[in-house]
Amino acid sequence: GENVEQHPSTLSVQEGDSAVIKCTYSDSASNYFPWYKQELGKRPQLIIDIRSNVGEKKDQRIAVTLNKTAKHFSLHITETQPEDSAVYFCAASKGGSARQLTFGSGTQLTVLP
Amino acid sequence: DSGVTQTPKHLITATGQRVTLRCSPRSGDLSVYWYQQSLDQGLQFLIQYYNGEERAKGNILERFSAQQFPDLHSELNLSSLELGDSALYFCASGLRETEAFFGQGTRLTVV
Repeated sequence: GENVEQHPSTLSVQEGDSAVIKCTYSDSASNYFPWYKQELGKRPQLIIDIRSNVGEKKDQRIAVTLNKTAKHFSLHITETQPEDSAVYFCAASKGGSARQLTFGSGTQLTVLP
Repeated sequence: DSGVTQTPKHLITATGQRVTLRCSPRSGDLSVYWYQQSLDQGLQFLIQYYNGEERAKGNILERFSAQQFPDLHSELNLSSLELGDSALYFCASGLRETEAFFGQGTRLTVV
């Protein structure tokens, strides 16, 4: 089955700096890659997703890039703010759908004021 | 608020017991997904229903079962509970299968 590895497990940045979280996946048939943000004690919240027919997608301060050849995708957060502090999860699935998402192990992002 | 409602929010029960977790998807969503989140296993897909039919099955134990009713709400039944079943159980829903929006989860503690 699919295996998703996520790095780093923890990341601390100064407010205003950029943060990058990377994920690799094993199944070349995977073609849907969402990112979720989970604050302590709360639900995972979908923040951005990408499908394999595009290489990059942006939404304000958040961007995701996808390299299908290398089987990795990354989350980029620019101009980080304290409220960006949370655990971020990447995930992958096939069929362009959210069916049977395989999640990475998560990255605890801390934005220092 | 994602619009996905899960009840109860917290549940404490003893080993060997059976519990039912309930999920009401967002209005109009046909897909319901169940996930388990624990410290050692992370977020793991359990099962998915689409418009009442089972669509995909993941790492769901035989002691666990689920169903989706005609009104599209779903229930996850956990039986013969063990200490290791203690976890956060999330339900997610989506209009078709293109996205998954998570509910607030049910925290299950087995003592």
